Amino acid sequence: AQRVTQPEKLLSVFKGAPVELKCNYSYSGSPELFWYVQYSRQRLQLLLRHISRESIKGFTADLNKGETSFHLKKPFAQEEDSAMYYCALPTIIQGAQKLVFGQGTRLTINP
Amino acid sequence: NAGVTQTPKFQVLKTGQSMTLQCAQDMNHEYMSWYRQDPGMGLRLIHYSVGAGITDQGEVPNGYNVSRSTTEDFPLRLLSAAPSQTSVYFCASSYSLAEYEQYFGPGTRLTVT
Repeated sequence: AQRVTQPEKLLSVFKGAPVELKCNYSYSGSPELFWYVQYSRQRLQLLLRHISRESIKGFTADLNKGETSFHLKKPFAQEEDSAMYYCALPTIIQGAQKLVFGQGTRLTINP
Repeated sequence: NAGVTQTPKFQVLKTGQSMTLQCAQDMNHEYMSWYRQDPGMGLRLIHYSVGAGITDQGEVPNGYNVSRSTTEDFPLRLLSAAPSQTSVYFCASSYSLAEYEQYFGPGTRLTVT
């Protein structure tokens, strides 16, 4: 079954330090993975997607098929990065699109 | 465009009461879905719809009903509220099966006492 695992519920780093949010998936085939972010008192929004290979707000994520991972990285964390982050895997089951989310990681950037 | 809107923002129910959470989108999206967000469990799909008149169950459908009479609206009904349904509920929409980015509403925080 398709599954997304985010092993860290909480992650705390200091401002200016590198940050890595882990995401592992199980999926047969070539996955299309996403990172969504939810800032305090805001709605969930797309941060970046694997297929676009772009850097958003300094974040990047590389798909590693050998390790079945899609970790989110940023070299220098900023206080405004504090938020809840979700890794997500879209699947199509019996013709219906479903987005499978990981459990989420709450990132706190300390000044 | 207002995007995806949800009402109410907050709701407190007593056990056994029923209510409807409203969701609307003005982006002409075919696909709409309801999720619940619980600490440590991520977002779990309750019900979804691939177009007007078509709905199906997600991971956690028990205790909830949906209907999709128009493209714009996708209400979620709680038939008989239980404390286990205390959660934050998000509605989301996307243009088609091939358009995987989903647009989320602001959420409804529901407490069942």
